[in-house]
Amino acid sequence: GAVVSQHPSRVICKSGTSVKIECRSLDFQATTMFWYRQFPKKSLMLMATSNEGSKATYEQGVEKDKFLINHASLTLSTLTVTSAHPEDSSFYICSARAWLAGAQETQYFGPGTRLLVL
Amino acid sequence: KQEVTQIPAALSVPEGENLVLNCSFTDSAIYNLQWFRQDPGKGLTSLLLIQSSQREQTSGRLNASLDKSSGRSTLYIAASQPGDSATYLCAEQGGSEKLVFGKGTKLTVNP
Repeated sequence: GAVVSQHPSRVICKSGTSVKIECRSLDFQATTMFWYRQFPKKSLMLMATSNEGSKATYEQGVEKDKFLINHASLTLSTLTVTSAHPEDSSFYICSARAWLAGAQETQYFGPGTRLLVL
Repeated sequence: KQEVTQIPAALSVPEGENLVLNCSFTDSAIYNLQWFRQDPGKGLTSLLLIQSSQREQTSGRLNASLDKSSGRSTLYIAASQPGDSATYLCAEQGGSEKLVFGKGTKLTVNP
């Protein structure tokens, strides 16, 4: 089955620093990847859609200058949280879109990255 | 605006019991509906995906149904086990191709 990895799985940083999270599709190519954010006891919220070779599409209310997304290859998308603050602490999950046999499209999710900003 | 609601928010049952988790959605142009499992601090594991043309999908002890007319989906878990304890999320994908998630149902199966 399709596997998506994320690195790091957990990161603690000081306020004001930038943090980069990687999302990789390990055994398939993904022209489209998605970044989600999950708050405690809340739904996963889509932050942005990452398209290989072009600019990401951000959801309403998500600051594109705050959350930089780069989808430089068909297997890697990165999310950089710039000048992180404590309110950015959250669980970030990526997914990659793939087409199964029979042209059934689905998303495969990474294991998530826990960010804690002190 | 697409919304997905899951009821109940939490459920505790004794081992061996059959149970039903509910999911309702507002999007009438649903493309598919997916059920996920999330263990504490972990990512999502896809359990079942139901296309809009389907009424149900089954995998082992799990059965998911989809009723587009009423905007509802259910996840049935037969003969529950302590290892089934987790948060179960449903997500609806509509014409915009975006997945919209519910808040989840936290299931605890007591030995």
